[in-house]
Amino acid sequence: GQQVMQIPQYQHVQEGEDFTTYCNSSTTLSNIQWYKQRPGGHPVFLIQLVKSGEVKKQKRLTFQFGEAKKNSSLHITATQTTDVGTYFCAGLNMRFGAGTRLTVKP
Amino acid sequence: GAGVSQSPSNKVTEKGKDVELRCDPISGHTALYWYRQSLGQGLEFLIYFQGNSAPDKSGLPSDRFSAERTGGSVSTLTIQRTQQEDSAVYLCASSLVGRGPSYNEQFFGPGTRLTVL
Repeated sequence: GQQVMQIPQYQHVQEGEDFTTYCNSSTTLSNIQWYKQRPGGHPVFLIQLVKSGEVKKQKRLTFQFGEAKKNSSLHITATQTTDVGTYFCAGLNMRFGAGTRLTVKP
Repeated sequence: GAGVSQSPSNKVTEKGKDVELRCDPISGHTALYWYRQSLGQGLEFLIYFQGNSAPDKSGLPSDRFSAERTGGSVSTLTIQRTQQEDSAVYLCASSLVGRGPSYNEQFFGPGTRLTVL
């Protein structure tokens, strides 16, 4: 089945630094979704990307979908302590990446 | 409206016992998903229901696991003869299905934390 690989597994940053997580698929994705899970919480939908080369922004978060629709990235500018959590990507067939756990040092 | 609800929130059972976990999806959502998440790990897909179609059971780890969805709404995940490695948080999600920005977004319930002693 479709495999979605996500890197890095962990990322620790100083508050104010940028953060990026990458998602790669072995096959072309019809779309990709991103979720955030706060510690002790459940995943919450952030965004869905559908078009090749698509870039979407949500305040300090920038999401990209690769031209070949096989990879995607989430970039956070100037991290804040409220960004702490695990970020997951997911292909349409319910296969989630392993997630990137972000910790932010104030 | 109400979100996805799951019950119980916590379940402690003894090895070998059967357990049933319940999920109430958002009203009108045709798709329902079950996932398993072990401590500090990612989401492991278990099963997917969509409307009247045959469910996608490809993620169920063994024949001890089964799920049903009655009337296109409530779903029950059953684990028979539980083992210690079944201990995890079981998450349920629901969504609309289709094309467009409002579709396919999964709304997750709070999960059921299962502990098998």
